Amino acid sequence: AQKVTQAQTEISVVEKEDVTLDCVYETRDTTYYLFWYKQPPSGELVFLIRRNSFDEQNEISGRYSWNFQKSTSSFNFTITASQVVDSAVYFCALRRGEYGNKLVFGAGTILRVKS
Amino acid sequence: ETGVTQSPTHLIKTRGQQVTLRCSSQSGHNTVSWYQQALGQGPQFIFQYYREEENGRGNFPPRFSGLQFPNYSSELNVNALELDDSALYLCASSMTSGYNEQFFGPGTRLTVL
Repeated sequence: AQKVTQAQTEISVVEKEDVTLDCVYETRDTTYYLFWYKQPPSGELVFLIRRNSFDEQNEISGRYSWNFQKSTSSFNFTITASQVVDSAVYFCALRRGEYGNKLVFGAGTILRVKS
Repeated sequence: ETGVTQSPTHLIKTRGQQVTLRCSSQSGHNTVSWYQQALGQGPQFIFQYYREEENGRGNFPPRFSGLQFPNYSSELNVNALELDDSALYLCASSMTSGYNEQFFGPGTRLTVL
């Protein structure tokens, strides 16, 4: 069975602080994909990143960075110099193999960035 | 390029009624997936349609059913509504049923009274 755990229910930071959102996953598959989505108050899930299980390189995109560690089954997301516009719910998700058809989501982390 | 659209935005129904939610996939996408997101939770996979056929189903009862049309748009039908069906229903489209990431629509907020 596949499972995604986001232990942090809610995080509050002050603007310009760095913040890391944790994601731990469980799967028996050797090939799988990990995702992060952002859900602003409007409700639409916005795709942020996809990582496959064979690519453990960390990735940086502007103020966003992702740390993928298979040894600890973690795929953590860091926002550097947070901004009020980063306030949203962030979901980590897992999809099995090349032919997987569903995303398994964690419960989400609410991020509140105060000015 | 038009993104994923869903209608209606909001809907209020009473217990026992039936509801149909609609989704238009992003241009060039032939796969549509439906998710239910209860308040404060992550989305849960309902089912996926690929080339007009159901291609996988989550742990939802048969009163949740769907259709995909030749233009790849899709409907989600829920019969005999229950209070617990109150949720945000999200539609996502992708280029195929496998590899590519899913792009989500804005969702339909269903309230069952």
